[in-house]
Amino acid sequence: DSGVTQTPKHLITATGQRVTLRCSPRSGDLSVYWYQQSLDQGLQFLIQYYNGEERAKGNILERFSAQQFPDLHSELNLSSLELGDSALYFCASSGRSAARTDTQYFGPGTRLTVL
Amino acid sequence: QKEVEQDPGPLSVPEGAIVSLNCTYSNSAFQYFMWYRQYSRKGPELLMYTYSSGNKEDGRFTAQVDKSSKYISLFIRDSQPSDSATYLCAMRGASGGSYIPTFGRGTSLIVHP
Repeated sequence: DSGVTQTPKHLITATGQRVTLRCSPRSGDLSVYWYQQSLDQGLQFLIQYYNGEERAKGNILERFSAQQFPDLHSELNLSSLELGDSALYFCASSGRSAARTDTQYFGPGTRLTVL
Repeated sequence: QKEVEQDPGPLSVPEGAIVSLNCTYSNSAFQYFMWYRQYSRKGPELLMYTYSSGNKEDGRFTAQVDKSSKYISLFIRDSQPSDSATYLCAMRGASGGSYIPTFGRGTSLIVHP
């Protein structure tokens, strides 16, 4: 158990809908990262937050957004969902420095299926 | 060309075999190299973490980095069926925006009894 929790485990929804994925980092970790994993693209970095502020952006679509709250949990919002958004979404957290990332610890993931 | 290349496999070996998993990369700024293991329907878990070139051993696992060839390897000795998983290499730079790791697509390993 990495100490990172994600909810829900599974999500099934329809095209055009909006969903919210939630992540709680390990105790004491200030950085949260979101990744998308699909069979054809592998693990793709989406976005990083550090202590409530956006720190780095990867291949995140404009339909996707995220935020990190004062209690350090994070939410990833996916809107106008398309079939191609079906994937595993992972959250990872790491230590206290944003400038030099320590090891990332991954949560169990949320499996999103868009029908 | 992808920044990190990794053969997806599957790699199938008998129990007890020595397994060699490899990644190549193109970005010479990468300084930190990691191997993650991911079981089916689970999140990746860190196995090995190395800095720059050289070898690092941890139990049955040995990570090797050859920066001159831009090639990293993970060796698993006395492989067990419980080692069956997908192994992802990851690497990152040492400063600025390069500290976000870049992952390989993973190699699926099957160890059969």
